[in-house]
Amino acid sequence: ETGVTQTPRHLVMGMTNKKSLKCEQHLGHNAMYWYKQSAKKPLELMFVYNFKEQTENNSVPSRFSPECPNSSHLFLHLHTLQPEDSALYLCASSSFGGQGGDEQFFGPGTRLTVL
Amino acid sequence: GQNIDQPTEMTATEGAIVQINCTYQTSGFNGLFWYQQHAGEAPTFLSYNVLDGLEEKGRFSSFLSRSKGYSYLLLKELQMKDSASYLCAAMDSNYQLIWGAGTKLIIKP
Repeated sequence: ETGVTQTPRHLVMGMTNKKSLKCEQHLGHNAMYWYKQSAKKPLELMFVYNFKEQTENNSVPSRFSPECPNSSHLFLHLHTLQPEDSALYLCASSSFGGQGGDEQFFGPGTRLTVL
Repeated sequence: GQNIDQPTEMTATEGAIVQINCTYQTSGFNGLFWYQQHAGEAPTFLSYNVLDGLEEKGRFSSFLSRSKGYSYLLLKELQMKDSASYLCAAMDSNYQLIWGAGTKLIIKP
């Protein structure tokens, strides 16, 4: 238990569906992250929020839309996904973001399958 | 470009010692992290190095050479529960983590 929870843990969706992933952190952190993890590939940083403000968007397709209503919650809204978007989506949080040694705490991830 | 290299897979014997190497190339450098990830679980923090040298934490140690762009994770007295993937990540000048693909460590009895 890392203090970061994600729901759902598993999600199967068609290419025309709309769904949302939820992340919540109970650590009092100010930075939150979305990562994509595909088999045998490095973690890909998708979005970063610092104090609820988006500070990083690593050229992510617009079919992925993040939302950060407060420092404890982070959402990833999904629509018209492609089969290659199937992966493990990890949420993480850290104390400050933008600081050396700022350890990130990860949630268990959402295993997404796009049919 | 930015790049992290680490071996894809390693095998070791229970009770032995194993060293997992990582080389990095980043735009600027603000430290090197190691994470452990068991299958189907979240990555968990193991160590952080920003200065050259060896940091020891129980059975695990991590080494950094900034001039060589090199780090290693040393695991002693291996246990079956150490079977996992070990992720190396370097923090660049923007304080973003650049990740390696991970080293899958298989421990045999």
